[in-house]
Amino acid sequence: AQSVAQPEDQVKVAEGNPLTVKCTYSVSGNPYLFWYVQYPNRGLQFLLKYITGDNLVKGSYGFEAEFNKSQTSFHLKKPSALVSDSALYFCAVRDADSSYKLIFGSGTRLLVRP
Amino acid sequence: GAVVSQHPSRVICKSGTSVKIECRSLDFQATTMFWYRQFPKQSLMLMATSNEGSKATYEQGVEKDKFLINHASLTLSTLTVTSAHPEDSSFYICSASGKNTEAFFGQGTRLTVV
Repeated sequence: AQSVAQPEDQVKVAEGNPLTVKCTYSVSGNPYLFWYVQYPNRGLQFLLKYITGDNLVKGSYGFEAEFNKSQTSFHLKKPSALVSDSALYFCAVRDADSSYKLIFGSGTRLLVRP
Repeated sequence: GAVVSQHPSRVICKSGTSVKIECRSLDFQATTMFWYRQFPKQSLMLMATSNEGSKATYEQGVEKDKFLINHASLTLSTLTVTSAHPEDSSFYICSASGKNTEAFFGQGTRLTVV
């Protein structure tokens, strides 16, 4: 079965520092991986996705993610964090049986200190 | 990206009444819509998948008579929480995908049953 794991409930960084939010995956076949961000009482906003191609995927708001097949990871990164990046981040994988059904990780809360 | 509108954003209802939540794709035809439930500080739990013109497929443990889903057109799906009780209070999120497109999310609906 497809699954993703986000090992950190919370990540804290200082504004201006680089940030990393971790995600590992377990899939059968080719992985289709996604990152979404959620602000309080809001739906999810799409950040980026990996389907195929370059291992470094660039997304919205300066975020990027690196697909690493050997480590089965898809960590979200940003070179310089902003206070406004503070939110809940979800990694997701597309279900193998249903083309557009997403299976979400548990979420990681990112706190960026001024 | 594509726009998915969810309405209402917040609703308070009395125990025993029914509540309908709408999910509309504004600029694309949504062949598939998904309904999620999110508990505080938790990830999204998929409730059901609906394809336009056919019955929804419910995830294990989700009562289909309790959570009625209708997907009568390519731009609208509704979730009706019947005979709501306080334990149904939650944040409900819909997402929609078109043919060969990823899923886009609505803003979410905060349901409070008193």
